[in-house]
Parts: sequence; structure tokens; C-alpha cells
Amino acid sequence: DVKVTQSSRYLVKRTGEKVFLECVQDMDHENMFWYRQDPGLGLRLIYFSYDVKMKEKGDIPEGYSVSREKKERFSLILESASTNQTSMYLCASSPLSHGNTIYFGEGSWLTVV
Amino acid sequence: LAKTTQPISMDSYEGQEVNITCSHNNIATNDYITWYQQFPSQGPRFIIQGYKTKVTNEVASLFIPADRKSSTLSLPRVSLSDTAVYYCLVGDISSGSARQLTFGSGTQLTVLP
Repeated sequence: DVKVTQSSRYLVKRTGEKVFLECVQDMDHENMFWYRQDPGLGLRLIYFSYDVKMKEKGDIPEGYSVSREKKERFSLILESASTNQTSMYLCASSPLSHGNTIYFGEGSWLTVV
Repeated sequence: LAKTTQPISMDSYEGQEVNITCSHNNIATNDYITWYQQFPSQGPRFIIQGYKTKVTNEVASLFIPADRKSSTLSLPRVSLSDTAVYYCLVGDISSGSARQLTFGSGTQLTVLP
């Protein structure tokens, strides 16, 4: 089974803090993603990476950055957390093949106070 | 980009067959259709994927008409544990950009005893 592991399930951070959300996948997938999920807004793509050190902005990249130094690891960084970044964050991975089978992690609930 | 439309919610009773339809009028030639199940506080879980006609696995069937402008997820004999949100995803990750992937807004399925 594909496993996408997000390091923290629940975090509480203060406004202005730098926040790191870590994600690791064990299937040697080329693609990795960070989504944000909010009630009524569905899944929104923050950033996408198709290879080590490569990244592409998604629909809502403002206030976020990412890092992919190794193929299996994709980190989401909130440089200065704000209350409007309180949300559930989902990491996902997929192989670089025809189709769109994306495998998701369990999610990280971030509360910024 | 293929825009997707799903019903917001559906109710069913245990033991019934449930069909959830997703409309995707401007689906592209290379796009696949994938369905996910999501329980509260968890990441979406892959259910089934198809390109055309009918696909069946141990948990669901996926029906795609010839024009591919819609797809129907069929869950046979649902149980209370099938209560979840179901998302359709249309796109093709091999097209080079995750922004080409379009998630539906999700259908809340509630199975009643």
C-alpha cells in the first residue's frame, strides 16, 4: 500500500510564527502536492512538485513556500503564520504516469491563534 | 479545465444501492475520472478510476457514458460505515501540471439505519 505520512496531525501556533509541515511518501512517486481544505471551499492546491528541487505554484500559493530536497519528502512552510491560515492541510503524491491516481496523507490540522 | 458538478448531499438506507453522478462537460481527451471517499478528519481515500465505459472493483463500480461528459459512482448495498463525503476528480497529471486536476465540491452521503 502507498503510504503518505504527515508528521503532525494537530498543531497550534501563534500568529507570526514560522511553521513547517512535513510530508514523506514511500512509493518513489515523482509528484507531490500540498492542498488546503476548508469547509465550503473544497480542496485547493497550494503547491505542486514534479521532481526534486522543482516546484510549481497552485491556486493559492500566497503566504506559503515549499521545499523538496529529497524525492520522498515535501515540506510546506508558512513563513509568518496568520489566523486565516487555520485549516486542514493535505499532502499527496502520485506517480508520473497517465491518469490521476493521487494518494493522500491523513491531514494536518493547523490552528493559528 | 474540466469543471465538475456534484450533488451537495444524498441520503440512503442501509442495504440500498447508491449512485452519485458527477458532471464534467468539458472533459479533455486525456483526462481520467477518479473518485475518492473522505471521512471526517481524514485524508481522501482512492476508490476507483476510469477512462471510459465501466470499471468495477471490490468496493464500487464506475460508469462512464460514451461522451464522457458525466460519470456515476455506484456503491452496492451501502452500510452505515459508507457515510462520508465523495469527491470526483477529473484530469491527467501526466499533462504536466497539477493545476489541470479539478476536484468536485464533494457529495455528503448519509446512510440511515
